[in-house]
Amino acid sequence: DIVMTQSPDSLAVSVGERATINCKSSQSLFFSSKNRNYLAWYQQKPGQPPKLLIYWASTRDSGVPDRFSGSGSGTDFTLTITSLQAEDVATYYCHQYYTAPLTFGGGTKVEIK
Amino acid sequence: QVHLVQSGAEVKKPGSSVKVSCQASGDTFRTHAFSWVRQAPGQGLEWMGNIIPVLDAANYAQRFQDRVTITTDESTNTVYMEMRSLTTEDTALYYCARVGGTYYDGYAYDLWGQGTMVTVSS
Repeated sequence: DIVMTQSPDSLAVSVGERATINCKSSQSLFFSSKNRNYLAWYQQKPGQPPKLLIYWASTRDSGVPDRFSGSGSGTDFTLTITSLQAEDVATYYCHQYYTAPLTFGGGTKVEIK
Repeated sequence: QVHLVQSGAEVKKPGSSVKVSCQASGDTFRTHAFSWVRQAPGQGLEWMGNIIPVLDAANYAQRFQDRVTITTDESTNTVYMEMRSLTTEDTALYYCARVGGTYYDGYAYDLWGQGTMVTVSS
């Protein structure tokens, strides 16, 4: 199974500041014939299901604010929130859909400092 | 707008079974794949398996292979997840999720149900 390791487990950021979350996979998620990384990011607020933010490592889903961006390739990926807003308080998960069993990172809880 | 609507909360005894449903609105049911993902209280997300309705093909995580069955009813655009031999460790919120794109070129989960809480207690 592909193991997804997120860091940090939690972070506190001031409103308007940058938040950076890292995700490392135990094997490459890059599918060369498709030229794509099979990596997604989700946001989950308390009492709600996860919401897709980013797929193919860097493509924002429809309606996702442009302060959210994804980067990286192969085994190392980053989710960046460039100017944190109060409504961004949530837990964020990375997710590999390269191969079954599909797996998720352990989550990163983002709070306001 | 497409929605995934799941069945209501369940309370079960250890050793029993549960069947959770997930009904998709809209007319794109057959072109998508669907998965079940669970989340134990205060924990992360765990993939259980998926199904492609148009192929009637299901795929399971190994740890659930022997006691979970995922099926569909195309007449009602509904996906089902049945779990047998429940233990207290199966207490969790169970989500159905739709794979974005088509079943042959899909990406991540672009649509989620509201979740169904399954509590296993004696």
